[in-house]
Amino acid sequence: DGGITQSPKYLFRKEGQNVTLSCEQNLNHDAMYWYRQDPGQGLRLIYYSQIVNDFQKGDIAEGYSVSREKKESFPLTVTSAQKNPTAFYLCASTARGTYNEQFFGPGTRLTVL
Amino acid sequence: GQQVMQIPQYQHVQEGEDFTTYCNSSTTLSNIQWYKQRPGGHPVFLIQLVKSGEVKKQKRLTFQFGEAKKNSSLHITATQTTDVGTYFCADGAGSYQLTFGKGTKLSVIP
Repeated sequence: DGGITQSPKYLFRKEGQNVTLSCEQNLNHDAMYWYRQDPGQGLRLIYYSQIVNDFQKGDIAEGYSVSREKKESFPLTVTSAQKNPTAFYLCASTARGTYNEQFFGPGTRLTVL
Repeated sequence: GQQVMQIPQYQHVQEGEDFTTYCNSSTTLSNIQWYKQRPGGHPVFLIQLVKSGEVKKQKRLTFQFGEAKKNSSLHITATQTTDVGTYFCADGAGSYQLTFGKGTKLSVIP
């Protein structure tokens, strides 16, 4: 089955710890994205990558970091600098070209205690 | 970046009633995508509108793109409990990027 996987579904961390969320896709998509979702806030873009070894900041990149060493993988690290990290994190991907739909993973719900 | 305003934020309807959500922008939209997110789930693509005045239908769902390409709407006829969820519009103005509205959360009372 082609798709996007995110693990784990639920993640708990203590305040001050960095945590890395995984995102893997086997759709052969070039572009990948990380969104944060808070209640009533819709989807806000954290980082995106159009191609391997390249990525750009989105609207709320502060306190986050990413890497894109392989086409299939786009992990997101939530650092201790992120002031309010508890949220639902969604990874997405899309094929090259404009006007293409984004495919979303199932999401990771991060709770920082 | 460009903002898309979505209204209403919440809508409660009796099963069988119609439902409409609106997406508005102060600037011209290049294209509009609509997504549905079920409770506890992830957004799933519904449709994309590109042309001015475009109307597309998917069973009980009707999607419209305004003549000036500054607004769009999603109308559901005779809602069912399976329609429950949050509906998002997204502007695809930036290459590879989408700007999402805040969504309309639909509740259907059986």
